Amino acid sequence: QKEVEQNSGPLSVPEGAIASLNCTYSDRGSQSFFWYRQYSGKSPELIMSIYSNGDKEDGRFTAQLNKASQYVSLLIRDSQPSDSATYLCAVAPLGGYQKVTFGTGTKLQVIP
Amino acid sequence: GAVVSQHPSWVICKSGTSVKIECRSLDFQATTMFWYRQFPKQSLMLMATSNEGSKATYEQGVEKDKFLINHASLTLSTLTVTSAHPEDSSFYICSARDPGLVQETQYFGPGTRLLVL
Repeated sequence: QKEVEQNSGPLSVPEGAIASLNCTYSDRGSQSFFWYRQYSGKSPELIMSIYSNGDKEDGRFTAQLNKASQYVSLLIRDSQPSDSATYLCAVAPLGGYQKVTFGTGTKLQVIP
Repeated sequence: GAVVSQHPSWVICKSGTSVKIECRSLDFQATTMFWYRQFPKQSLMLMATSNEGSKATYEQGVEKDKFLINHASLTLSTLTVTSAHPEDSSFYICSARDPGLVQETQYFGPGTRLLVL
């Protein structure tokens, strides 16, 4: 079983719609959760981090965390063609110099 | 967010040569940096964790003698691909952990694309 699982996609949504990206993880000790965006040929860019259960909103992005279900999601409202990229989910244990485990990413395509 | 740079951004070399890639944290001191490799259409693969002042920790299957890591200062880590071969052609990305943040957060450099002929 993969430690961090994501649907590889592609997930296609029309411009202006809500894109919903999902991620599950296997390590119940995970405490830190991140969403990175990676454009083709570029390195990942941190867009959201979340550490406690519930929702965290930042502009058009909302991260949702449910530790009981070991599930974290990212919602993108009013999707734009510029949001088309691969979104990587990442998890880490609490504190220290623990390594971050990345999922394989979900490719999002926003159709104009 | 924190800024991490990499140099060079592109390198083309002949098979058998060695290539050094630098990773710098520009506005914070990073006691820990990470080196990743990404092949086309695949996810990030952690190669090693670079610790300032000590030996790097390599992931299983990564040859430490081939991928030499030196974390000489709190702002610089280098990855040297020794005796590079075409199969080493890949996108190498470093990241640095900002110790000023309570939680684990990594910031990525822009990556170095290596092509071995």
